[in-house]
Amino acid sequence: AQKITQTQPGMFVQEKEAVTLDCTYDTSDPSYGLFWYKQPSSGEMIFLIYQGSYDQQNATEGRYSLNFQKARKSANLVISASQLGDSAMYFCAMSLGGYQKVTFGTGTKLQVIP
Amino acid sequence: AAGVIQSPRHLIKEKRETATLKCYPIPRHDTVYWYQQGPGQDPQFLISFYEKMQSDKGSIPDRFSAQQFSDYHSELNMSSLELGDSALYFCASTYSTGTSAGNTIYFGEGSWLTVV
Repeated sequence: AQKITQTQPGMFVQEKEAVTLDCTYDTSDPSYGLFWYKQPSSGEMIFLIYQGSYDQQNATEGRYSLNFQKARKSANLVISASQLGDSAMYFCAMSLGGYQKVTFGTGTKLQVIP
Repeated sequence: AAGVIQSPRHLIKEKRETATLKCYPIPRHDTVYWYQQGPGQDPQFLISFYEKMQSDKGSIPDRFSAQQFSDYHSELNMSSLELGDSALYFCASTYSTGTSAGNTIYFGEGSWLTVV
């Protein structure tokens, strides 16, 4: 069984600063995918970034990058140049691939301060 | 680009009533998932379908059932509704055939169910 751990229930960041949201995972399966989703107060679950277990390079999508450290089983999300619109709940998640379900962490609530 | 479409976006039902949620996956996606997210909780997996067959089952109550149709849309049927069923229900989809190390899974905007 896979498990995702997010140890930061809430975080504050100053506007225009960078912030790192922590995520560790546990699985014995060599094939897996790691995801980050953003959930604003309106409720929708927005896909941000994906990292496959066999990917050699860290994933990047605009201001989002995933710091993938396979040996440490961590997949931290880095948001550069934070904006007020980044205030939301952020979920780290994992899937074992194919049609396997996504398992979520407990989330980190990020608040961007002007 | 087309996204996962869920309907209705909001519904209010009374206890013991029945509700049906619909999900239209992204075109060419072959896998659909249903999740339930209670207030302040992370999404909990309910059930999934791959190529119209049930592929996995999570903590779905016996009062709930779901299916995926020939056009790949899916419906979640909830009967004998209880106050505790009030939650945000997500449908998600992906194309999983032939993939191994994960594949991007996209979520719909969710359906808010309130049971009164």
